[in-house]
Amino acid sequence: DGGITQSPKYLFRKEGQNVTLSCEQNLNHDAMYWYRQDPGQGLRLIYYSQIVNDFQKGDIAEGYSVSREKKESFPLTVTSAQKNPTAFYLCASSAGNNQPQHFGDGTRLSIL
Amino acid sequence: AQSVAQPEDQVNVAEGNPLTVKCTYSVSGNPYLFWYVQYPNRGLQFLLKYITGDNLVKGSYGFEAEFNKSQTSFHLKKPSALVSDSALYFCAVKGNKLVFGAGTILRVKS
Repeated sequence: DGGITQSPKYLFRKEGQNVTLSCEQNLNHDAMYWYRQDPGQGLRLIYYSQIVNDFQKGDIAEGYSVSREKKESFPLTVTSAQKNPTAFYLCASSAGNNQPQHFGDGTRLSIL
Repeated sequence: AQSVAQPEDQVNVAEGNPLTVKCTYSVSGNPYLFWYVQYPNRGLQFLLKYITGDNLVKGSYGFEAEFNKSQTSFHLKKPSALVSDSALYFCAVKGNKLVFGAGTILRVKS
């Protein structure tokens, strides 16, 4: 089945630690996205990539970094500079600019 | 800049009754509108979209949405609610990026 796989499902971060969230898709989509979901706030865009080796900042990129070395993969690193990282992180992909986005099942990040 | 408003934090409806989840939007140019559903601890699932054409859009699981350009609304509807429809619903509008509303919790009681 085609889809988006996010791992791990749960992740804990210690103070001063960087952590990386994995996102892999086998839908052959060019565009990929990372969102942060907090209760009552909907989804906020962190980073997006419309093609391999290229990505742009979204609305809340500070404290996060990404890479897009392969079409299938778009990992997100939550750095120690992100002071409030506790949230539900969602990865998505789409076939084109106005096509629906397909979402993974998310990674829930908490602070130890 | 585009924006989406979902004026109700929660909608309660009895099983078998019709349901409506409201959405209004603001965007420059032609609107591209979407509805998604999210179950607990899961990602968002696409329900339906409006790009152009008929104002009544049919989607997955018996849901439909009515586009009203003059009222800048895109309300989600279903003629007969199921308990299994209980979830969090998001409206989204695409301008230069996809912007989501804050979400509406739908509770269907048996």
